[in-house]
Amino acid sequence: EAQVTQNPRYLITVTGKKLTVTCSQNMNHEYMSWYRQDPGLGLRQIYYSMNVEVTDKGDVPEGYKVSRKEKRNFPLILESPSPNQTSLYFCASRKSSGQGQGYYEQYFGPGTRLTVT
Amino acid sequence: KQEVTQIPAALSVPEGENLVLNCSFTDSAIYNLQWFRQDPGKGLTSLLLIQSSQREQTSGRLNASLDKSSGRSTLYIAASQPGDSATYLCAVRFQGTYKYIFGTGTRLKVLA
Repeated sequence: EAQVTQNPRYLITVTGKKLTVTCSQNMNHEYMSWYRQDPGLGLRQIYYSMNVEVTDKGDVPEGYKVSRKEKRNFPLILESPSPNQTSLYFCASRKSSGQGQGYYEQYFGPGTRLTVT
Repeated sequence: KQEVTQIPAALSVPEGENLVLNCSFTDSAIYNLQWFRQDPGKGLTSLLLIQSSQREQTSGRLNASLDKSSGRSTLYIAASQPGDSATYLCAVRFQGTYKYIFGTGTRLKVLA
């Protein structure tokens, strides 16, 4: 089954304790992305990756890191989480037809609910 | 600044009614626009994607239209059912960027 998976689905942690949220897709998609969803603010893009070793900032990258060592995986790293990073996080992927193109649908993972106390 | 707006924020309709959800964007230079459905506590399910060269897309009881010149897309739901109750989101990829901008959604409730 074609899907985007995220782990963990729920996480409660304390301020300053480094954490990683994993994202994996089995559709051989080039493009992967992380979003956070907050009440009243909607979904905002954190980082995206056009392909292996190619990443770029979205609209709210502060406090987050990403890496893309393999095509199927795109982990989100919070090196020193703070309470304002409490949110619902989504990973997404889509095909990419190259420079200047990109008409393909995004597929989303089930979400990771993070609470930082 | 490129922005995406969805109005109304919430909508209640009786079962069987045809309805229209709106998505407005501030820049007509878009690559594509995608409509999603989100159930409470769940992820996003893709409904329809409209490319910038298209005027509309249809899937079952759903029809999405795109008018770039007016900066609008509409999602038409025919013969609404209680199972259609969810939050509907639109996302726009503007030209010159690989980023996506989401609207804040319309929360739809279809009453039996």
